[in-house]
Order: sequence, then C-alpha cells, then structure tokens
Amino acid sequence: DTEVTQTPKHLVMGMTNKKSLKCEQHMGHRAMYWYKQKAKKPPELMFVYSYEKLSINESVPSRFSPECPNSSLLNLHLHALQPEDSALYLCASSQDLWESTDTQYFGPGTRLTVL
Amino acid sequence: AQKVTQAQTEISVVEKEDVTLDCVYETRDTTYYLFWYKQPPSGELVFLIRRNSFDEQNEISGRYSWNFQKSTSSFNFTITASQVVDSAVYFCALSEDGGAQKLVFGQGTRLTINP
Repeated sequence: DTEVTQTPKHLVMGMTNKKSLKCEQHMGHRAMYWYKQKAKKPPELMFVYSYEKLSINESVPSRFSPECPNSSLLNLHLHALQPEDSALYLCASSQDLWESTDTQYFGPGTRLTVL
Repeated sequence: AQKVTQAQTEISVVEKEDVTLDCVYETRDTTYYLFWYKQPPSGELVFLIRRNSFDEQNEISGRYSWNFQKSTSSFNFTITASQVVDSAVYFCALSEDGGAQKLVFGQGTRLTINP
C-alpha cells in the first residue's frame, strides 16, 4: 500500500484566516515532505521532516509553519497568506530521507485558493 | 549542478498512437537516480519508475517502456498504443547520491490523447 492521504482536497481562505493542511501515511515511512506546485510548473520543495524533526526548510516564508506530531502525520499551518500563495500543496513520504535509492510517494494534494 | 530538461511542453496524439516523452538530464555525480511521475488532472503525482545510473537496462511495463542512455544523458519514456486515460502531465526527475534525497524535476510534458 503506497497511499498518502491529504485533507482537505480544496480550501478557500482569506488573507487574515488561519487554516491547516493535513497529511497522513501508514507505510512506516520516516521522511515526509511538503511541496508547492503552481499551475503549469513542477512541484517545488518546501519542507522535509526526517524522524519527526525538521531537516530541510527551503527558505519558506514564516506564514507557512510545518508540524510533525508523529511519524504518520504532517501538518502545514497557514496564516496571513497572500493571493500568490494559491497553489496545489502536495505531501509526500519516503522510507528514509538519507537513503538515496528511496522513492517518494505523493498524496492527491490540497488545492488552496487565497482571496 | 543538476538539471532536468523536458523540451516537449505539450504533445497531442490520437488514441492508439505510440508516443515518446523525452527527458535529458545533467549531473556531475556518477551515481544518481532518475524517476518518472504521472500527474493526472486530479493532481496526485503517481510514481511510475526509478532507475539507478549504473543500471542501463531498458524497462518495459505493459504499454510503458523506458530507454535509459548514459551516453546521451537521456531517459525517455514511450507509451505504446496510447489510451485516453494516459492523458496527464508527465514529470521526469533526478536525485543524486549521498545527502538528502531532493528531487530535481523537469518542467513536465502535458500529454493529451484524443479519442
């Protein structure tokens, strides 16, 4: 089973709202990733957690705040977003961040619109 | 520096035609990993294949086949007897050995199969 789930599927929020995206996997993977994908572009890496610790932050603005409560769950807290933050947010997981032969498996994404 | 180029932005063919998606990569590493992902309109990136740099054997999986040629730094993907369900954006990606597994994506090729 290579399933990564994400909720919600769609989210519309105002610039003053606070919302959260949720990602879950039950494959026993120890690395979890957040990507942002704008229309007609490839995914861009935002954050990576390895063994529940933040390992990579690709200079993402602080209005995006990741959290990894346990090895199966990954959240992305959103606050004071801008309209240009509207995008598809993808979660992925892999066995181990430091294992080069590993494969990342992606969830269906949350399509975020910021008004 | 790593780079992946998918020169074909969009391809449109009629159902049952064969179609090849090109992928050219650049890396200074001798050990690296190449991937293909499919992204249907629903948004999820679906893993198709991973190939190690030291394994140049071509691979076939049903109607899908991959041609890896180190001499030309290419990892092309062919769909035989295409079907409407193959319509999607296809991404080629590269990761290098050692360090954190970071995927470098190409810009993607939008494939449309017309009935």
